[in-house]
Amino acid sequence: DVKVTQSSRYLVKRTGEKVFLECVQDMDHENMFWYRQDPGLGLRLIYFSYDVKMKEKGDIPEGYSVSREKKERFSLILESASTNQTSMYLCASKRSGEEKLFFGSGTQLSVL
Amino acid sequence: SQQGEEDPQALSIQEGENATMNCSYKTSINNLQWYRQNSGRGLVHLILIRSNEREKHSGRLRVTLDTSKKSSSLLITASRAADTASYFCATIHSGAGSYQLTFGKGTKLSVIP
Repeated sequence: DVKVTQSSRYLVKRTGEKVFLECVQDMDHENMFWYRQDPGLGLRLIYFSYDVKMKEKGDIPEGYSVSREKKERFSLILESASTNQTSMYLCASKRSGEEKLFFGSGTQLSVL
Repeated sequence: SQQGEEDPQALSIQEGENATMNCSYKTSINNLQWYRQNSGRGLVHLILIRSNEREKHSGRLRVTLDTSKKSSSLLITASRAADTASYFCATIHSGAGSYQLTFGKGTKLSVIP
């Protein structure tokens, strides 16, 4: 069974902290994505990666960075967390040339 | 930028009834997908319909696509309490790279036992 695993289900951090959200997929997918989901705003794409060490900005990259050192792992980094980054963060992956996304269970991040 | 918009935002029905959700989008698409999200969880892919298809079935799901109206509908027949979830449509713009799948804001479906 295909799997996208996000390291934390719930996370509480303080303003100004550096935060790492980890995502691992076991399907050998080339493409990986980070979305955030907020009530009333739906899912918004933060960053995506189409290959190892490659990254592209999505619709809302400000305040975030990403790292893809290995094919199976895609990390989202909040350099200095702020309260407006409190959100549900969803990681997804897919195979190149295919359209279907596989999602992780999400990380609910609270920044206090 | 948001591409798809679902309608209604929320829907409450009795178990056994049919549920219909609609999605409208703004620009030409290659395909349209529907996803489901249980409360506080990740999204799960339900069905994909291509721009040259008009209707597609999968179990109790029926999806239609009208490219002239830039709209799609998802019908769940004989609903069950376990169908309670949020449902999202997602599109990739024609001509865009195959990476940028954009989601609507979702329809929250409640099926009352």
